[in-house]
Amino acid sequence: HLQLQESGPGLVRPSETLSLTCTVSGGSISSSPYYWGWIRQPPGKGLEWIGSIYSSENTYDNPSLKSRVTLSIDKSKNQFSLKLNSVTAADTAVYYCARHGARGYSYVDYWGQGTLVTVSS
Amino acid sequence: ETIMTQSPATLSVSAGERATLSCRASQSVSRNLAWYQQKPGQAPRLLIYGASTRATGIPARFSGSASGTEFTLTISSLQPEDFAVYYCQQYNNWPPVTFGQGTKVEIK
Repeated sequence: HLQLQESGPGLVRPSETLSLTCTVSGGSISSSPYYWGWIRQPPGKGLEWIGSIYSSENTYDNPSLKSRVTLSIDKSKNQFSLKLNSVTAADTAVYYCARHGARGYSYVDYWGQGTLVTVSS
Repeated sequence: ETIMTQSPATLSVSAGERATLSCRASQSVSRNLAWYQQKPGQAPRLLIYGASTRATGIPARFSGSASGTEFTLTISSLQPEDFAVYYCQQYNNWPPVTFGQGTKVEIK
């Protein structure tokens, strides 16, 4: 049974970089043809897709985040990571890591439990 | 970007009644539409993909349908555990993947 678990600081200062890691267990992150992504949810609001990675050469992110996103994957550790730079209070949210399929199958079938990240000085 | 619009924002329904939730796409998404259920403090759970295919373990009272850019999630007889927020998501035109703003199904 596949499990995803987010880890990282729960508090980030404004203008700094938010860094989160997702550890995958119960299956291999190298499994094809899956993408590994990040989705966030501000308190009391809806879901926003941040970006997804298939390999180091194959990443996609949400244009609304204005190129602040860096995605990476470490297949040896079965982990993938998110960096979001120049954060503001608007980036305060529960961050979920997730698995989805390739084009035409890109619904999320596995989610992490989510981790709250607060941006505050 | 494909905008997904859900209606209503809140649906008040009694247990045992039928609930109908709507989701409209701003452009064609083919049938690449998923529905998720989210309960307080939990991650979303996949209910429906491909507009009408139930995910593994999802009860038959949940059904999805599509007509052009209009999508519907129907819960035939609401059970107490079905009171939650429901989101639609298109995955045809990405990046970015986009979600609707959610419909909260509450007890009447």
